[in-house]
This record gives sequence, structure tokens and C-alpha cells, in this order.
Amino acid sequence: DAGITQSPRHKVTETGTPVTLRCHQTENHRYMYWYRQDPGHGLRLIHYSYGVKDTDKGEVSDGYSVSRSKTEDFLLTLESATSSQTSVYFCAISEEGSIQYFGAGTRLSVL
Amino acid sequence: EDKVVQSPLSLVVHEGDTVTLNCSYEVTNFRSLLWYKQEKKAPTFLFMLTSSGIEKKSGRLSSILDKKELFSILNITATQTGDSAIYLCAVNNAGNMLTFGGGTRLMVKP
Repeated sequence: DAGITQSPRHKVTETGTPVTLRCHQTENHRYMYWYRQDPGHGLRLIHYSYGVKDTDKGEVSDGYSVSRSKTEDFLLTLESATSSQTSVYFCAISEEGSIQYFGAGTRLSVL
Repeated sequence: EDKVVQSPLSLVVHEGDTVTLNCSYEVTNFRSLLWYKQEKKAPTFLFMLTSSGIEKKSGRLSSILDKKELFSILNITATQTGDSAIYLCAVNNAGNMLTFGGGTRLMVKP
């Protein structure tokens, strides 16, 4: 996870509150991704970005939004957190869209 | 819809054993297949395979792809306790997205 920093690493919040997770990279890679990982489901893509201000939805995008105003930062926002969004969230980066490198993850609990 | 299935779901072996992990896939516009190892935190990249029949090797780990039968295997020889992890297979399509399988949990006992 060198060159990729996720913050916070752990967060506990209440249902209905907004939450923003941050992914910061120092590799200047074009592509950035947000995944969630849940038991029995593996890693599932939430949203991804292929450049500044260029984002698209993944497999499980409902309830999430993203923004990328700078190459190095990709933000994931839960507008109104629900208990079903309790998960481990991973950010990944890729230079050419093939090999992805992952951050250390954020463990989010929504009570 | 792209699909990746890994087997077995979990595996317990003893140090020194050889293991074979399986990954089958269905994907439109196949570009590559990747293997990752996940211990307590982030998945770490192991191999990327693009061509059939060409083995990729790194120490005791090796992997091969069969694009005709749509599967890949990951072999680990002379297993060690440090090989205990979840092994993830993912397929990259032409849209620069990865679709992951559910993973194989490997436990290596001393």
C-alpha cells in the first residue's frame, strides 16, 4: 500500500449521518477505484475514476457518491449511512487500468 | 455480466504440502487475469496473465492461464505458514475494471 493512504482507518457512525472516506495517492496514477469487501461477496466495485472529474458507477453504487477534483484524491461519500453499508472499504489505483494496487482499507461500522 | 468463481472456498494443509487453487471466469472483452494475496489488510498483487499456456513463476508460486477453457490455476509448492491468506482471482475487461472472485482461504498448519 505504498503511495496510497486511506483515511480514516476506522470509523464508527450512526445511521443517517453523512460519511466521507478519503483516498490519497502519491503515484500520479490515472485510475482510482473504491471497493467494499464483505464476507461471502469478495471485493465489489462501488465507483471508479479515469481522470480528474471523470467518474463512473460500479456494481454496487447505490447510496454512494464520489468526487475527484485532483489527480491525487478520490473521495467516497455516504450521504446518509445505513447499517448495510457497514463494511471494509478499499481504495485502489492503477496507471494503465490493469494492475491495481490497494490501500490499507477503512473499516466502517454504521450503528 | 462478468463472473469469476474460485474453488475451493477454503483449504487447510500442512507445511510442505503443495496446493492448487482454481479460478474460472466468464467475461466479455477479456484483457487479463490477476491473482492477489490478502493477509490481514490490503490485497497485494502476485501475477498478471494475458496469454494461454505461459506460466508465470515467483519463487514457490506459479500460475497459468487457459483462455480456451476459461480458467487459471495458482500453485504453491512447499507451503509455509506465511502462505496462510485469502487468495483472490480477478479478471480485467476492456473497460479497465476488475471483477473479483470470492477468494480461497488457505490455512497452512505447522
